[in-house]
Amino acid sequence: GIQVEQSPPDLILQEGANSTLRCNFSDSVNNLQWFHQNPWGQLINLFYIPSGTKQNGRLSATTVATERYSLLYISSSQTTDSGVYFCAVDGGGANSKLTFGKGITLSVRP
Amino acid sequence: ETGVTQSPTHLIKTRGQQVTLRCSSQSGHNTVSWYQQALGQGPQFIFQYYREEENGRGNFPPRFSGLQFPNYSSELNVNALELDDSALYLCASSPRTRVNTQYFGPGTRLTVL
Repeated sequence: GIQVEQSPPDLILQEGANSTLRCNFSDSVNNLQWFHQNPWGQLINLFYIPSGTKQNGRLSATTVATERYSLLYISSSQTTDSGVYFCAVDGGGANSKLTFGKGITLSVRP
Repeated sequence: ETGVTQSPTHLIKTRGQQVTLRCSSQSGHNTVSWYQQALGQGPQFIFQYYREEENGRGNFPPRFSGLQFPNYSSELNVNALELDDSALYLCASSPRTRVNTQYFGPGTRLTVL
């Protein structure tokens, strides 16, 4: 099956700093989503981005499908950005199951 | 528009027991998927239901089973619970018109003692 690797596994930032989170995947995909998991376990949709670039406030994402990677950019980080960030992909097929990476744990210090 | 809801929030069971977890899909969504998330790991796909039929299954044994009802709500049943079944169970729904975008509920945290 499709493999998803995220890096770095852990990231510590000072409030106000910028960061880039990376997701590599092993095969072509027809869906890629970025999620933020809060401390209570809720997965919050950040982006649906199988290709191209999108921006939402301080967050933006770029997926280069031909090179099988996606990047999530966080600018002017805030303590509320802390948590685990997951990249998940759907390699196609009869159902739309998502394969998740192991996540990136972000800690933003005040 | 209401989001995906799950019940119960937390559950404690003992080994060998059976458990039923429930999920209500977001309004307008007719596809529901279940995922298991062990501590420190990413969610793993269990199975998906579309129009009350199983529409794909991950690498989970038959003691994990599910149902989808005409109102698109869903249940996950786990028989003969094992200690390794302790995890966060997440339900996700997606609209038919945008079948690839999945929206997750808050999860049910199951502890098996």
